[in-house]
Amino acid sequence: DTEVTQTPKHLVMGMTNKKSLKCEQHMGHRAMYWYKQKAKKPPELMFVYSYEKLSINESVPSRFSPECPNSSLLNLHLHALQPEDSALYLCASSQTGTFDEEQYFGPGTRLTVT
Amino acid sequence: AQSVTQLDSQVPVFEEAPVELRCNYSSSVSVYLFWYVQYPNQGLQLLLKYLSGSTLVKGINGFEAEFNKSQTSFHLRKPSVHISDTAEYFCAVSDPATGRRALTFGSGTRLQVQP
Repeated sequence: DTEVTQTPKHLVMGMTNKKSLKCEQHMGHRAMYWYKQKAKKPPELMFVYSYEKLSINESVPSRFSPECPNSSLLNLHLHALQPEDSALYLCASSQTGTFDEEQYFGPGTRLTVT
Repeated sequence: AQSVTQLDSQVPVFEEAPVELRCNYSSSVSVYLFWYVQYPNQGLQLLLKYLSGSTLVKGINGFEAEFNKSQTSFHLRKPSVHISDTAEYFCAVSDPATGRRALTFGSGTRLQVQP
């Protein structure tokens, strides 16, 4: 199984809402990633978890809060978002997070902030 | 810091014609290079990667890429494209010299295959 799953597929939320995005993989990977992708742009790295510890935070605003409860699961908690946060949020995983590894991407959650 | 340049934002091509998508990276030190494809409303999928060894790398769906260290390039080619190859293509680099275990993506090239 080489699949990364993400739920929900679509999410519409108001600026005062609290919601969470979920990502799951069962490949035994120990590195997991959150990316944000705006239309017609490349993915922008937000966070990297390695062995369930946060290893990279790309100066993301605190209204985005990642969580890695176990090696298979990655969450992104959202609170008080702005309309400019509307984007496709992609989750990815790789075996251990070393430099030469392929990353496996999920299909993404399309987020609209109203 | 590492950077990746994809000079062509869009490449229109007719079905069964050959195509080349260009990618240049900034550092001449040892790096790892990747090409990913993103079909509409989907995540990214690895096409191929260069880690070391032979400079010609073959990937999935008939794509191949050539690593050229002196020109710091990693261009993607396919001898005959299909309508189904219409997608966004991203070149990416991983640079151990930065110590940063993350990919740096190019801006992407939209391949539009016309009948």
